[in-house]
Amino acid sequence: DAGITQSPRHKVTETGTPVTLRCHQTENHRYMYWYRQDPGHGLRLIHYSYGVKDTDKGEVSDGYSVSRSKTEDFLLTLESATSSQTSVYFCAISGLAGGTSYNEQFFGPGTRLTVL
Amino acid sequence: KNEVEQSPQNLTAQEGEFITINCSYSVGISALHWLQQHPGGGIVSLFMLSSGKKKHGRLIATINIQEKHSSLHITASHPRDSAVYICAVMYSGGGADGLTFGKGTHLIIQP
Repeated sequence: DAGITQSPRHKVTETGTPVTLRCHQTENHRYMYWYRQDPGHGLRLIHYSYGVKDTDKGEVSDGYSVSRSKTEDFLLTLESATSSQTSVYFCAISGLAGGTSYNEQFFGPGTRLTVL
Repeated sequence: KNEVEQSPQNLTAQEGEFITINCSYSVGISALHWLQQHPGGGIVSLFMLSSGKKKHGRLIATINIQEKHSSLHITASHPRDSAVYICAVMYSGGGADGLTFGKGTHLIIQP
């Protein structure tokens, strides 16, 4: 267990409302990632962070923003949720020198988001 | 676009059979990951490799860098091996850029 949690685990919301998902880690990993998983597409990178206040866009970043004000927390925000953002969202962490490799990634349990 | 292709997409086998799942990618990588996901469950890292072969219990992962191809083998398969197996690559250029994933192989092992 790499000490990574996500909250909430399930959320149902309405189109147009803002939503924030939280990823929290206790292992001091440098890199944090947000992915979404959809049938037919698999997992795709939304945004990632390579340090506090350092973030960059991934493959499917439109409609999402992120923030990382502390090493342990990486927030994903949907400013105005749409039905196309219904998905399962996974956070992942990597970059701990104590791991088997700098590139090894550990995944959170996922957040199932439904936008009606 | 850098692609990761997995085959087969779906595989049903009998308990005890030897299973092979294949993964191919298009450009140079720094590492390849094999992940496992049970229905409704989280994602677990099985292997990360950049060359050669790794073994853990009944699972074996190999990679051929020149051919840009990796295989995941399961020996003496068991119904508890039923899951989605996902290949993912970290493209050369640094550890910050995230993984690119295949679409997964749905494996069912029947008793």
